[in-house]
Amino acid sequence: SQTIHQWPATLVQPVGSPLSLECTVEGTSNPNLYWYRQAAGRGLQLLFYSVGIGQISSEVPQNLSASRPQDRQFILSSKKLLLSDSGFYLCAWSGRTGAPDSPLHFGNGTRLTVT
Amino acid sequence: GNSVTQMEGPVTLSEEAFLTINCTYTATGYPSLFWYVQYPGEGLQLLLKATKADDKGSNKGFEATYRKETTSFHLEKGSVQVSDSAVYFCALSDKGSGNTPLVFGKGTRLSVIA
Repeated sequence: SQTIHQWPATLVQPVGSPLSLECTVEGTSNPNLYWYRQAAGRGLQLLFYSVGIGQISSEVPQNLSASRPQDRQFILSSKKLLLSDSGFYLCAWSGRTGAPDSPLHFGNGTRLTVT
Repeated sequence: GNSVTQMEGPVTLSEEAFLTINCTYTATGYPSLFWYVQYPGEGLQLLLKATKADDKGSNKGFEATYRKETTSFHLEKGSVQVSDSAVYFCALSDKGSGNTPLVFGKGTRLSVIA
């Protein structure tokens, strides 16, 4: 069966420090991968999605970047964190093209607090 | 473009009360529609889905019917439990774009009190 792992579960970082959140998927090949952020009172915001290795689409210009070095690995990064980067970050995967009804499968999220 | 509008919360109900969370959508084609649930401290889980008009998705006592004429996909449950307390998200996918991410509503927080 397919599983998605996201870590760390919680993170407290000072302003200006770097960030690296990692997400890996097991039990499937060629998944679409996504990073979402959930900020208080703002719902679910899509940050990045990827349809293949090295292919990243950015939905919102900001202080963050994403990379997909391997088929089932998706990394969210920042060189210098801002206070506004605080939030709950969710990684997700879905089946590839041809199955638009394929649901998203989410990790358990990372609670990031920038101080 | 595609969009989803949900009723704003929070919604507070007593146990065994009837639940309705409204969701309407705007789409250029004929999207698939989803409800996701997020329990405290966790990621989102698929609750139910419907892929074409008049389809009814159901799971764990929750139901939603795809209404093309009113562009709606309201979530209902006849008798809620304390364990149903969570945030509920309505979402759509554009069938014409297999790789396009889901579009989510802003979420509705439900609190059920004993």
